[in-house]
Amino acid sequence: NAGVTQTPKFQVLKTGQSMTLQCAQDMNHEYMSWYRQDPGMGLRLIHYSVGAGITDQGEVPNGYNVSRSTTEDFPLRLLSAAPSQTSVYFCASSLEGRTYGYTFGSGTRLTVV
Amino acid sequence: DQQVKQNSPSLSVQEGRISILNCDYTNSMFDYFLWYKKYPAEGPTFLISISSIKDKNEDGRFTVFLNKSAKHLSLHIVPSQPGDSAVYFCAASERAAGNKLTFGGGTRVLVKP
Repeated sequence: NAGVTQTPKFQVLKTGQSMTLQCAQDMNHEYMSWYRQDPGMGLRLIHYSVGAGITDQGEVPNGYNVSRSTTEDFPLRLLSAAPSQTSVYFCASSLEGRTYGYTFGSGTRLTVV
Repeated sequence: DQQVKQNSPSLSVQEGRISILNCDYTNSMFDYFLWYKKYPAEGPTFLISISSIKDKNEDGRFTVFLNKSAKHLSLHIVPSQPGDSAVYFCAASERAAGNKLTFGGGTRVLVKP
């Protein structure tokens, strides 16, 4: 099993550009989430999904869109990149139920110049 | 305002000794708590969890203690090993919010040989 796969690992964008961060999991997990990690602030939830076709906002959703057309994939779209979106982005998936810890991908380091 | 706080950004400990990591929370609705470990350039990995109906949970060298009245939890690592050097995040969730996690800012642990 590959677990949670994120692509790309690194990306540099110019202000105003758009892009999609890809996330795929092969564990048939219902729950998927996107987090961003910034120094001293831990991981903050951007968007999450409890199943295909169902998404909701997290703590810091502005400037990001998501969709969940399949159980496996949960892409994160940056609509118009801003320097404040420079961060490390993590995708995670989990079985239903809070007793299961999330499995995280290895992250995408994004720099917006 | 951060609902989950890790007030010690870093901790240095000698190999073989105990590492104690602390975490405080403000949301009294949180009823499930987790610890994650993160190495550089990797995603966080689930370490141990505890439900609010318990005050202690053990898994090998790792023990998590929960003090609900003080809204405080701690992670004990005994004995500490050089491979434990990493950033540790505590996280919390509430039943009404499903499987969404709120993370603390992290504590960087350095275990000296």
